[in-house]
Amino acid sequence: EPEVTQTPSHQVTQMGQEVILRCVPISNHLYFYWYRQILGQKVEFLVSFYNNEISEKSEIFDDQFSVERPDGSNFTLKIRSTKLEDSAMYFCASSPRDTYYEQYFGPGTRLTVT
Amino acid sequence: GENVEQHPSTLSVQEGDSAVIKCTYSDSASNYFPWYKQELGKRPQLIIDIRSNVGEKKDQRIAVTLNKTAKHFSLHITETQPEDSAVYFCAASKGSGGSNYKLTFGKGTLLTVNP
Repeated sequence: EPEVTQTPSHQVTQMGQEVILRCVPISNHLYFYWYRQILGQKVEFLVSFYNNEISEKSEIFDDQFSVERPDGSNFTLKIRSTKLEDSAMYFCASSPRDTYYEQYFGPGTRLTVT
Repeated sequence: GENVEQHPSTLSVQEGDSAVIKCTYSDSASNYFPWYKQELGKRPQLIIDIRSNVGEKKDQRIAVTLNKTAKHFSLHITETQPEDSAVYFCAASKGSGGSNYKLTFGKGTLLTVNP
């Protein structure tokens, strides 16, 4: 069964550095999301993406964040200048055309900012 | 915005017993309610969902009920097994089109099924 994949599984970076988190959604899916979960807290919506543009973004998704679908398979989340409070598990999710409300999650990337 | 509250935060049951996890939501426009299961170190896995035009949905040992008037929905697991042990998350969404189904999650329930 196809699954969403994410790389790397764990990323350690220093404050102020740029990071790019990568996701490969399920191949025939059209809708893409990023969520994050700070340790011990709820999973929070960051951004949704469809037809090569952002559909909606949360207050968390400020100018330091950007998303891109550089080719037909990858979906990336970039954080330009990481802060300590960006440390979290970042999940990518995708949805198919027909059952577009069903979101399938990747295994996550644990980002640690030191 | 939407707020989802989930209870209990931890639940311990004996194998074979039933488990019930409850969630409430604040936005009456929400129309889609999925449940995710997350085993330690693994991805959240969609296990069942319900849309606002139905009151109950069942899939083998798991069922979800929705009360739109009271704005709450519940996950029921019958005949629990040790492999049901995981963190369960409820979520709500009020999407009206494919690009707008952002999920608002509850805090999760750690379910432990004791053999």
